[in-house]
Amino acid sequence: DAMVIQNPRYQVTQFGKPVTLSCSQTLNHNVMYWYQQKSSQAPKLLFHYYDKDFNNEADTPDNFQSRRPNTSFCFLDIRSPGLGDAAMYLCATSRDWGDTEAFFGQGTRLTVV
Amino acid sequence: QQPVQSPQAVILREGEDAVINCSSSKALYSVHWYRQKHGEAPVFLMILLKGGEQKGHDKISASFNEKKQQSSLYLTASQLSYSGTYFCGTPNTFGNEKLTFGTGTRLTIIP
Repeated sequence: DAMVIQNPRYQVTQFGKPVTLSCSQTLNHNVMYWYQQKSSQAPKLLFHYYDKDFNNEADTPDNFQSRRPNTSFCFLDIRSPGLGDAAMYLCATSRDWGDTEAFFGQGTRLTVV
Repeated sequence: QQPVQSPQAVILREGEDAVINCSSSKALYSVHWYRQKHGEAPVFLMILLKGGEQKGHDKISASFNEKKQQSSLYLTASQLSYSGTYFCGTPNTFGNEKLTFGTGTRLTIIP
């Protein structure tokens, strides 16, 4: 019944080793978001899509990339993870822009060793 | 710019009331409220779409003052299950664009 599914739930990667996080949705929503959340902080927006139109935040590091090959799937690629990239990564979707409810996946907790 | 919430943290006894405020330095067109429990994803509570709107859900309600660029979340007769961190969320422009979250308010309910 899960509508926004993130895989894996937990990911351990080595410093500098590329890693990909995935998100899938069964809601057929137009908008998909990637947020980074560090301990005791608010979710920080990294990227968002409206359909295939991609937007990244001005302060999203170049080390972070994203792909949305179709409506249902979205990926977050971290090319060379640093210790400071350890965080919870949240994927969310909404039917339309910010005046509709956002549905979140359970998140992927990334550890960098 | 990120909306600012107050207080940052609050501890209540079960049955007490709380108010959480969300203020923006720019115009607000709508306001979302979410609750996040430790280690879990945020869960949607409600959206207020226009100034002056008030909504209620069980014993949790909210108001939206468009002119003052702020929203308040009211928790009445708090229950243990209300514990968590509350975030307001605001779209960037009129009904469009990205959803940005406020600074968060950690609410702890004790028996």
